[in-house]
Amino acid sequence: DTGVSQDPRHKITKRGQNVTFRCDPISEHNRLYWYRQTLGQGPEFLTYFQNEAQLEKSRLLSDRFSAERPKGSFSTLEIQRTEQGDSAMYLCASSPRLAGPDTQYFGPGTRLTVL
Amino acid sequence: AQSVTQLDSQVPVFEEAPVELRCNYSSSVSVYLFWYVQYPNQGLQLLLKYLSGSTLVESINGFEAEFNKSQTSFHLRKPSVHISDTAEYFCAVSAFSSGGYQKVTFGTGTKLQVIP
Repeated sequence: DTGVSQDPRHKITKRGQNVTFRCDPISEHNRLYWYRQTLGQGPEFLTYFQNEAQLEKSRLLSDRFSAERPKGSFSTLEIQRTEQGDSAMYLCASSPRLAGPDTQYFGPGTRLTVL
Repeated sequence: AQSVTQLDSQVPVFEEAPVELRCNYSSSVSVYLFWYVQYPNQGLQLLLKYLSGSTLVESINGFEAEFNKSQTSFHLRKPSVHISDTAEYFCAVSAFSSGGYQKVTFGTGTKLQVIP
């Protein structure tokens, strides 16, 4: 049983460049979440997918951010025209489809550094 | 809306001593409670959770937490810590949002430093 995987693990980019991160959830998990974690803070919710539908977006997700989950499996998070303030750890989590409360399982994260 | 407060940003403790990491939450609806652990350069791992039933929950590596509804707390305890417990610990609460999914809110984390 493989866990949630994220690629790349580290990304260094120059301000103004576009970056894209990928998340592969645990198989058969139909719920997928993206979070952002800055230094000294806990993870903050960015967006949520149920299957291929993006059902919720945080106000933290500016117009420069876009996320997709085209076939209801893997997901991508793209940041356009990166800014230094985008430097953070981007975490992906998935959870199974349950009628009641579920548990989110996290990937190792992608650490983004914007120079 | 829900929030989580972890008052202690860092907790140093000697090896084999007991430790308590404090977590308080606020919410207008029923919540589910979690503790996650993050080892250096790794992702978040679920340590333990309270969903319902017994208010005392335990992890496989000796940690326990007790849900106290009246005090809105979910403190994490271990009677004897080991060097390998050095990590950052995040308390989290979740509740069902209007969109039908569980919105998880994390605390700011507590860094546990076990001193040999």
